[in-house]
Amino acid sequence: GENVEQHPSTLSVQEGDSAVIKCTYSDSASNYFPWYKQELGKGPQLIIDIRSNVGEKKDQRIAVTLNKTAKHFSLHITETQPEDSAVYFCAASRLSGGSYIPTFGRGTSLIVHP
Amino acid sequence: KAGVTQTPRYLIKTRGQQVTLSCSPISGHRSVSWYQQTPGQGLQFLFEYFSETQRNKGNFPGRFSGRQFSNSRSEMNVSTLELGDSALYLCASSLSQGPSEQYFGPGTRLTVT
Repeated sequence: GENVEQHPSTLSVQEGDSAVIKCTYSDSASNYFPWYKQELGKGPQLIIDIRSNVGEKKDQRIAVTLNKTAKHFSLHITETQPEDSAVYFCAASRLSGGSYIPTFGRGTSLIVHP
Repeated sequence: KAGVTQTPRYLIKTRGQQVTLSCSPISGHRSVSWYQQTPGQGLQFLFEYFSETQRNKGNFPGRFSGRQFSNSRSEMNVSTLELGDSALYLCASSLSQGPSEQYFGPGTRLTVT
């Protein structure tokens, strides 16, 4: 089955700095890669996603890059703010039974110091 | 538009008991997925329902089961609870079958003593 490695497990930055979280996956059939932000006491929330036919996608301060050949994808957050502090999960999804089923990374706890 | 709701939010059960958790998806969403989140194993896929049919199942024992009703509401059941079943159980709904955005509920925190 799919295996997703996520690094680092903890990331501490100063407000205004950039943060980068990296993930690798093993199944070349995975073709949809969402990123989720989970705040304490809440369920994960999709913040950005990318499909395998796209190499990069940006949404304001957040960007995701995908390298299909190397099987890795990364989340970039620029100009970090204290409210960005949360746990971030990457996922690699493949089509199964008509749906895209995700395999998640273990999460990165991002701490943004004011 | 109301988000995904899960009931109850917190639950304490004893080993050997069974439990039923409920999920109401966003209105109009027909796909409902369930996930287990633990510090040790992370976020793991349990199963997914679409139009009352289970389309996918994760690698969990048969003690974990679920169903979906005609109004898309879903329930999951865990029988013969074990200490290791203590976890946050998350439900997510999405509009269609494709790689569309999944909206997660706040989860049900299950503690097995």
